[in-house]
Amino acid sequence: NAGVTQTPKFQVLKTGQSMTLQCAQDMNHEYMSWYRQDPGMGLRLIHYSVGAGITDQGEVPNGYNVSRSTTEDFPLRLLSAAPSQTSVYFCASSLARGDTEAFFGQGTRLTVV
Amino acid sequence: EDQVTQSPEALRLQEGESSSLNCSYTVSGLRGLFWYRQDPGKGPEFLFTLYSAGEEKEKERLKATLTKKESFLHITAPKPEDSATYLCAVQGSGASKIIFGSGTRLSIRP
Repeated sequence: NAGVTQTPKFQVLKTGQSMTLQCAQDMNHEYMSWYRQDPGMGLRLIHYSVGAGITDQGEVPNGYNVSRSTTEDFPLRLLSAAPSQTSVYFCASSLARGDTEAFFGQGTRLTVV
Repeated sequence: EDQVTQSPEALRLQEGESSSLNCSYTVSGLRGLFWYRQDPGKGPEFLFTLYSAGEEKEKERLKATLTKKESFLHITAPKPEDSATYLCAVQGSGASKIIFGSGTRLSIRP
């Protein structure tokens, strides 16, 4: 049982480049979310989705886009990377409404130079 | 706006020395309060969900409690393997988003 799979694990981008962080879950969870984690700041919510076709903004959405075309996948797109987006990114999934146990991926460490 | 504050930022204990971590929250109606454990280089791992004031849950040396304004994670007779960052999060009844605190880094010395 794979759970939540994030790819890649590490990535270095140049300022202005674009990329997509992939997130897939095989638990048929409706609720998925993306967080970034910076030293001393805990997890900050970027975007979340309560089901296929439905997405909403979190605490820090600027510079990031998401879509949810299937239940399984929830990619995060950086359109024009900036050094301020250097961080560790986590994807999570849980059953409907989100008020139950969330399963997290292993994270993507992104550096923008 | 939903808000979560955890204290202390860091806590160093001797093996066997019990203590508590605090999570204060502000939310418009509480749908759920969550505790997670995070080891270095890994994603958070679920510990507990609490739904209403007065509720308590236990798992091995950990016990989580909830009031209308805060939650405590009590650690009884901790061992070095309990060393980790402990994260608290809340979900309000009027929103779907889940907001995390900045965590408490716990270190247990043998």
